[in-house]
Amino acid sequence: AQTVTQSQPEMSVQEAETVTLSCTYDTSESDYYLFWYKQPPSRQMILVIRQEAYKQQNATENRFSVNFQKAAKSFSLKISDSQLGDAAMYFCAYRSRGNQFYFGTGTSLTVIP
Amino acid sequence: GAGVSQSPRYKVTKRGQDVALRCDPISGHVSLYWYRQALGQGPEFLTYFNYEAQQDKSGLPNDRFSAERPEGSISTLTIQRTEQRDSAMYRCASSPDRGGRDTEAFFGQGTRLTVV
Repeated sequence: AQTVTQSQPEMSVQEAETVTLSCTYDTSESDYYLFWYKQPPSRQMILVIRQEAYKQQNATENRFSVNFQKAAKSFSLKISDSQLGDAAMYFCAYRSRGNQFYFGTGTSLTVIP
Repeated sequence: GAGVSQSPRYKVTKRGQDVALRCDPISGHVSLYWYRQALGQGPEFLTYFNYEAQQDKSGLPNDRFSAERPEGSISTLTIQRTEQRDSAMYRCASSPDRGGRDTEAFFGQGTRLTVV
């Protein structure tokens, strides 16, 4: 089975600064999708960004970008110009060929004003 | 519907009672997932369906837990003889087939179950 590892339980960043959250995964598949979800205190699960494994170009959504290293099975999230509203739990997720989703244990991000 | 709908949003039940949690996925979504999430933790996989077929139920903690999706749309997660350790947020998600434009899992608001 695929596993998703987030090795940083907690991170903090100064407002307006940049922070990178790391994620690694283990798989034998070549075709899959990767995601970052944000979970604010409301406990909603909000999609932040997605990456298709066959695309070499790193995905970008406004202040959010990823560094996808397929050979290293690494998928980190970079948040630029951090804002107070970015404070949340962030989950990395992997979608397999069989449509299964695997989630990491999460990174709690604190934004310091 | 506009999003994944779960009911009830909150459920308080006495230990030993059975509970049924309902999930109404986004119309047309092929896959439906059940997760359990403790506070400060990631979603813990329980089971998932492609259409009406239960693909994987390896995450169900024990035989008190069961799930069905008889017509490939609405799903019910049933917990029999509830115990206090079953208290958690139960989340449902759905996703379209992989070949479409949207590839992510769309989550419902969850059902917060408290067993007293």
